[in-house]
Order: sequence, then structure tokens, then C-alpha cells
Amino acid sequence: AQSVTQLDSHVSVSEGTPVLLRCNYSSSYSPSLFWYVQHPNKGLQLLLKYTSAATLVKGINGFEAEFKKSETSFHLTKPSAHMSDAAEYFCVVSDSDYKLSFGAGTTVTVRA
Amino acid sequence: NAGVTQTPKFRILKIGQSMTLQCTQDMNHNYMYWYRQDPGMGLKLIYYSVGAGITDKGEVPNGYNVSRSTTEDFPLRLELAAPSQTSVYFCASSTWDSWVPDTQYFGPGTRLTVL
Repeated sequence: AQSVTQLDSHVSVSEGTPVLLRCNYSSSYSPSLFWYVQHPNKGLQLLLKYTSAATLVKGINGFEAEFKKSETSFHLTKPSAHMSDAAEYFCVVSDSDYKLSFGAGTTVTVRA
Repeated sequence: NAGVTQTPKFRILKIGQSMTLQCTQDMNHNYMYWYRQDPGMGLKLIYYSVGAGITDKGEVPNGYNVSRSTTEDFPLRLELAAPSQTSVYFCASSTWDSWVPDTQYFGPGTRLTVL
């Protein structure tokens, strides 16, 4: 079975500074990987996805992620944080049985 | 398109009561999922369905049941509610192209408290 580890449970950044959210995965085959965002009291929304095409994936709201097979990582970055980026972020890996495995989440706080 | 809709938004149950959480999608997706979200734990898969009439257990199925009589609807049944079932429940739907998943679309969630 596939699994996901989000290396930081909480990240705090100043507005206008870069954001880095780290994700490692384990998989016995070539997985698809996703980042989802959840704003307070809302459902989850897709930020971006990797499905074996380009290893650098661009998503919505200026986020991007790089798939590194050798490091089994799929870290999420944004060059300049905005107050509206305060949310919880989930790294997700596909399973071979039509299921997804979610990481525990990283809470992002943005300081003014 | 309404996407994925869930009812109710909030519910308080007493221990031992039963209820059904409703989920409907209007995107003609074959694949539907029920997750529960507990603080600091991410989302855990309860049950999923790959099409009408086909359901399977996820990671945490105990205490729950599902059915899938139509493509659109995927209700989740809680029998004999317990405090451990206090959680936020999300329904989701998607398509898969061969073994490659497309985006999962999530409903707004149902916040359930069992007292």
C-alpha cells in the first residue's frame, strides 16, 4: 500500500516570504500525487496534481510542486505567501485500487 | 453543476442512535468515497464505490454501512452511534482513466457529534 508523510505539522511564514511544505511518499509503482488545500470549515480543493508528465507541476494561486523520484518527494512551494494562503494542506498519493492516501496535513499560518 | 452535495451540515446524535448521511453528485462520476477527518489525522477512508451496485471497505469501516443504488447517490449509514464516531465526514467523487486518478471533488462536509 502507498503512504504519505508530511514532514511539518505546522509552518509559519511572514506575508511576502516563500512557503515550503514537505511531503515524502512511498509507493510500489509510479504513483499519481496531489496537493489539496482546506480553508477553515470548508471542503478540500485541488491545488495541483502530478500524473507522470512534467516533474515540475504548476497549480492554482501561484503554487508549484516538484516530483523527485530519487528522493520520493513531492514538496509544495510558493515564492511569496499571501494572507489568504493560511489553511491546511494535504499531500495525497494514489493507490492501485482506486483509492487515495492522505497525509496528516500541514497547517500554514501567515503573519502580517 | 452543484458538484458534490452533502446533508446535513451539522448533527448531534445520542449514543446508540442511527442516522444516514446523504451524498449526491451531478458530475456522472463512477467513483465515490466517504472519508472522516479527525484533528491532526488527515482524512481516513471509510468506504468507497467504483460504480452503482459496487462498494468496498476502506481503512476504517467499522460502525458504518453504505449502498450505491444509483450513480448519483452514495449514502453513509451509522448504526448504533458511538462517541468515537464524532468527526467531520466528507463525501467525494472522481473519475479514473485506467489506473490514473483524476481530481477528487469534495462536498462541504457533515460535522457530527455523538454525546
